[in-house]
Amino acid sequence: AAGVIQSPRHLIKEKRETATLKCYPIPRHDTVYWYQQGPGQDPQFLISFYEKMQSDKGSIPDRFSAQQFSDYHSELNMSSLELGDSALYFCASSLAEGGAYEKLFFGSGTQLSVL
Amino acid sequence: LAKTTQPISMDSYEGQEVNITCSHNNIATNDYITWYQQFPSQGPRFIIQGYKTKVTNEVASLFIPADRKSSTLSLPRVSLSDTAVYYCLVGVFGVGYSTLTFGKGTMLLVSP
Repeated sequence: AAGVIQSPRHLIKEKRETATLKCYPIPRHDTVYWYQQGPGQDPQFLISFYEKMQSDKGSIPDRFSAQQFSDYHSELNMSSLELGDSALYFCASSLAEGGAYEKLFFGSGTQLSVL
Repeated sequence: LAKTTQPISMDSYEGQEVNITCSHNNIATNDYITWYQQFPSQGPRFIIQGYKTKVTNEVASLFIPADRKSSTLSLPRVSLSDTAVYYCLVGVFGVGYSTLTFGKGTMLLVSP
C-alpha cells in the first residue's frame, strides 16, 4: 500500500540558510500534518492543512511557513535556519472523517541538520 | 485535551506479555483513547483506539475500565522488534476537533 512520502530523507544546511521539505500524502488523503522531533524529544505539532487550507497551528516558528497544493502535497519552508532547528521532521496524512476515528499515517521523516 | 500519565520506561523479555497503563483522570465524555508506537528514527504508527471496555486487533489489546480514567495497552508475547516508544493520547482528534498532540511516551525495551 502507498505510504506517506517525504523528501529529502536527509538535509544538511548552514545557519541562516533556507530549506524546503516536501510531503506527498497517501492518495485520496485530504489532510496533512507537520511535526518536529528533536533528539530525545517527543513529536511536536507544527501545522496542519485540510483541503489546501490551514487547519490548525501549533508551535511553528514565524521563520517557517507551509502550504498544501492542489495535488494535496505539502511543503514546509524554513528560513534563517538556526542550530536548534536540527531535528527530524515528520509529515502525516489522514482522511478527515469527522472526528474520533481519524488515524494519522506518518512518513519516514526528513532529518535536518543545521551546521 | 485530557492530560495523560504513563510510565517513562518499561523493561520486558521476549515472549512475555507487556501491559502499559495510561492514566487520564479528566477524560471527557466524547474522548477516545488512542495509542501510537514509534521506532527510532521513524514516524509514529497507529496501534489501536477505543472508547470503552475492550478492543483487540492483530497487534494489541486495549482495556478500558468503566470509569475510563485509565487504560491499559496489552502487547502479547513481545519480541525484540517491539522495542519502541508507546504514546497514549486521549481526545477527539480530527479536522474541526483537536490535533494529535504527543506527550511523554513509554520507552519499552525488550531483551532476549
